[in-house]
Amino acid sequence: QSALTQPASVSGSPGQSITISCTGTSSDVGTYNYVSWYQQYPGKAPKLIIYDVNYRPSGGSNRFSGSKSGNTASLTISGLQAEDEADYYCSSYTARSTVIFGGGTKLAVL
Amino acid sequence: QVQLVQSGAEVKKPGASVKVSCKASGYTLTNYGISWVRQAPGQGLEWMGWLSSYNGNANSAQNFQGRVTITTNISTSTAYMELRSLTSDDTAVYYCARVHRAVPNREDVWGQGTTVTVSS
Repeated sequence: QSALTQPASVSGSPGQSITISCTGTSSDVGTYNYVSWYQQYPGKAPKLIIYDVNYRPSGGSNRFSGSKSGNTASLTISGLQAEDEADYYCSSYTARSTVIFGGGTKLAVL
Repeated sequence: QVQLVQSGAEVKKPGASVKVSCKASGYTLTNYGISWVRQAPGQGLEWMGWLSSYNGNANSAQNFQGRVTITTNISTSTAYMELRSLTSDDTAVYYCARVHRAVPNREDVWGQGTTVTVSS
């Protein structure tokens, strides 16, 4: 099963908003609302920032929001800050009762 | 506090097996599941499999079926991932993560990662 499709990189200026897409199929993103997003700094473990498409973990920043339309999920980061520069991954539950990740997106804050 | 602490780095020869442990603390293991995710150098995240300590549900990714075994020891609150028939392609950082007890998503707590190097 191929990975979910994410753009390799995105960039934005401080204060701006950016959106990262995550495209799957009707066997994963399109059917299940079990889409999660993770932030990962180099050499660190991933951190959950969005789960179940648009829910934030307790204590999570409200600058992160998620949505889904059809087979594509999206992560929006508003009020971009330098500390947001990291890798972002999406994941989805699948019809095979497995989990599939996206290839990852490197966010540059210019 | 809620945390997962993994065992230390391993160096293995091709064809060998590796068993990584993941000790949970600060929460009740039987209310959640544990997923295992790996990341090869410079690459993305790859889901390997999971086990629910709540109802025993388990599954693994097609790429690892027949080669990975995930278990838990409830008495010690420790989860284990064993990977067999190692090749250089298995060189990666291996993470355990706490997940929902019924569906292997919502990885809200992660271990620190265990580096496994496969080299002759």
